[in-house]
Amino acid sequence: EAGVAQSPRYKIIEKRQSVAFWCNPISGHATLYWYQQILGQGPKLLIQFQNNGVVDDSQLPKDRFSAERLKGVDSTLKIQPAKLEDSAVYLCASSRRQGANQPQHFGDGTRLSIL
Amino acid sequence: GDSVTQMEGPVTLSEEAFLTINCTYTATGYPSLFWYVQYPGEGLQLLLKATKADDKGSNKGFEATYRKETTSFHLEKGSVQVSDSAVYFCALRSRDDKIIFGKGTRLHILP
Repeated sequence: EAGVAQSPRYKIIEKRQSVAFWCNPISGHATLYWYQQILGQGPKLLIQFQNNGVVDDSQLPKDRFSAERLKGVDSTLKIQPAKLEDSAVYLCASSRRQGANQPQHFGDGTRLSIL
Repeated sequence: GDSVTQMEGPVTLSEEAFLTINCTYTATGYPSLFWYVQYPGEGLQLLLKATKADDKGSNKGFEATYRKETTSFHLEKGSVQVSDSAVYFCALRSRDDKIIFGKGTRLHILP
C-alpha cells in the first residue's frame, strides 16, 4: 500500500510570510495527525483529525497555525505569519482509526526553514 | 503530565558492538510503549512496541521489555550494523490516545 504522502519536502521562507503544507494519508485511514519536530526534539502533536472533524488541537498555536481536512481525506496545515521559531520538520501521520492498538504511519515530513 | 526520558546522544559504537539505549517514562495507568526509528531524511517508522507489563517487543534484532516496576523500556541489540545508524525515539501512548515522544537518541555505527 502507498504510504503517507507529504509535500513539499523542503520550504524556505522569510519570517512573516505564509506557508502551507499538504498531506495525503494512507487510503482508508480515518485518523490524521500533524506533528512539529524541532531540531533535537521529539515530535509534538499539533492537531488530530477523525475524518473531517478535529479531535484535539490543544497544542496548535491558533493565532498563526490553521489546519483543515475538508473532505476527510487529505489535509493542509498553514502558518500565517511565520516566525523564526517555526523552523522545524512538520510530520503528517495517519491511522485506520483512533485507539491504543492502531499504529500511526508517518510521512517523510516537510522541512521548513525560516530566514 | 505523561512524559518520556531517554538517554542523550549521540551514541557512537563500532560495528558488532552491543547496544543499549535507556528509556524511562512517567504516565497515569499502563500506557503502550514504542520505539520509533528515523533514518536520515525520512519520517518515523515504528520499530517495536509493547502494550502491557513484561511484554517484549522485537524487530530487526532489536528488543525492548516493558518493565512496570522500573517504568522503563530500554532498547537493546546484540550486534549493531552500520545500517542501524539513525535517530531512535522512545514513546508512549497515553490514556487520552496521544503519542508522547522522547527527545531522541542519535546512533552512529562505525565500520
